[in-house]
Amino acid sequence: KAGVTQTPRYLIKTRGQQVTLSCSPISGHRSVSWYQQTPGQGLQFLFEYFSETQRNKGNFPGRFSGRQFSNSRSEMNVSTLELGDSALYLCASSSPGGPGYTFGSGTRLTVV
Amino acid sequence: ELKVEQNPLFLSMQEGKNYTIYCNYSTTSDRLYWYRQDPGKSLESLFVLLSNGAVKQEGRLMASLDTKARLSTLHITAAVHDLSATYFCAVVNTGNQFYFGTGTSLTVIP
Repeated sequence: KAGVTQTPRYLIKTRGQQVTLSCSPISGHRSVSWYQQTPGQGLQFLFEYFSETQRNKGNFPGRFSGRQFSNSRSEMNVSTLELGDSALYLCASSSPGGPGYTFGSGTRLTVV
Repeated sequence: ELKVEQNPLFLSMQEGKNYTIYCNYSTTSDRLYWYRQDPGKSLESLFVLLSNGAVKQEGRLMASLDTKARLSTLHITAAVHDLSATYFCAVVNTGNQFYFGTGTSLTVIP
């Protein structure tokens, strides 16, 4: 069965631009979470969506936003990019009945 | 806010040796996860521990959970080079939010 798919895998953007990342969860999984991983801050929670509704949000500025579609696919948007937004962005999906979370391969964003 | 501490941060061990990675967390949680991450790669699920006293084993790795002490351990038996990676523990709060430890970078030396 297909895993969690994140696109694109790599992205280079310029400061001030905006970017949209995509995450397709495992079929049947309705919860999608997003995480930012940097060498300095480690893995930090961004937000979680379930059935098109944001259930939780981490401590990130409003430049970070997301949404989930009816097919459970999720997008994350970062506006007015800063150098510090360079990171590996991971999404994870889970099914309602199980405790497991499966992570995608991530999108490596570099802001120059 | 839930805090998760892992130690050691870095671990260099010889092949064939045993060692334990520790994961302490600050508030009650009913789920603890262990993940492995290879350089430049995503997180691979190793174990999900759901109850006090839970013990799970896969190959040379064994994880345990003591919810009263808020402590989980990942024990490595007879390490081999293929186990070299960064290992993360993570605890989930009631809002399904993961709190990750800092990670333990393990290097197994031949």
